[in-house]
Amino acid sequence: GQSLEQPSEVTAVEGAIVQINCTYQTSGFYGLSWYQQHDGGAPTFLSYNALDGLEETGRFSSFLSRSDSYGYLLLQELQMKDSASYFCAVRYNFNKFYFGSGTKLNVKP
Amino acid sequence: ETGVTQSPTHLIKTRGQQVTLRCSSQSGHNTVSWYQQALGQGPQFIFQYYREEENGRGNFPPRFSGLQFPNYSSELNVNALELDDSALYLCASSLDGGGNEQFFGPGTRLTVL
Repeated sequence: GQSLEQPSEVTAVEGAIVQINCTYQTSGFYGLSWYQQHDGGAPTFLSYNALDGLEETGRFSSFLSRSDSYGYLLLQELQMKDSASYFCAVRYNFNKFYFGSGTKLNVKP
Repeated sequence: ETGVTQSPTHLIKTRGQQVTLRCSSQSGHNTVSWYQQALGQGPQFIFQYYREEENGRGNFPPRFSGLQFPNYSSELNVNALELDDSALYLCASSLDGGGNEQFFGPGTRLTVL
């Protein structure tokens, strides 16, 4: 089976940097995605890593280590609007997906 | 460019009934995936359709079935509804099978009484 672990909740202040970790166990691993979901909204795509290393997109960066079955999402210059749930999701066996339970990020002024 | 749309927004059914949910994929996308999201949980993958064929399936029983049409829109059918089927049902579209980047619709909130 598949399993993903990520922290259930993280709190940080506006302007700070926060890292959300994700460890996974899966067979047929293809890649790791990150999605953001505001309360009552739909998940929106943030990033995808298939190879080891860091991918940067504006204030958000995502990292993957396939040998450690580990990834993280880094959010810089936190803004109040970043308060949301963040999900890591593995893509496995090419066309199957498994989402974690999500990390609720609370950004405080 | 039209985004992913889903209908209906909300639905109330009773146990044992059948339900059909609909999804229109984003313009140009030929792949649709369906997810079930219980309150406070992450989306759970139900299945994916690519060019009108089921392309991959998660751990859901056969009473969850689907269709994809030539215009790439899709339906999710659930038979013999159970109370635990109450959830937000999300569809997501992407390009060419797989789906590194999936675009989600707003979801259908299903309540089973």
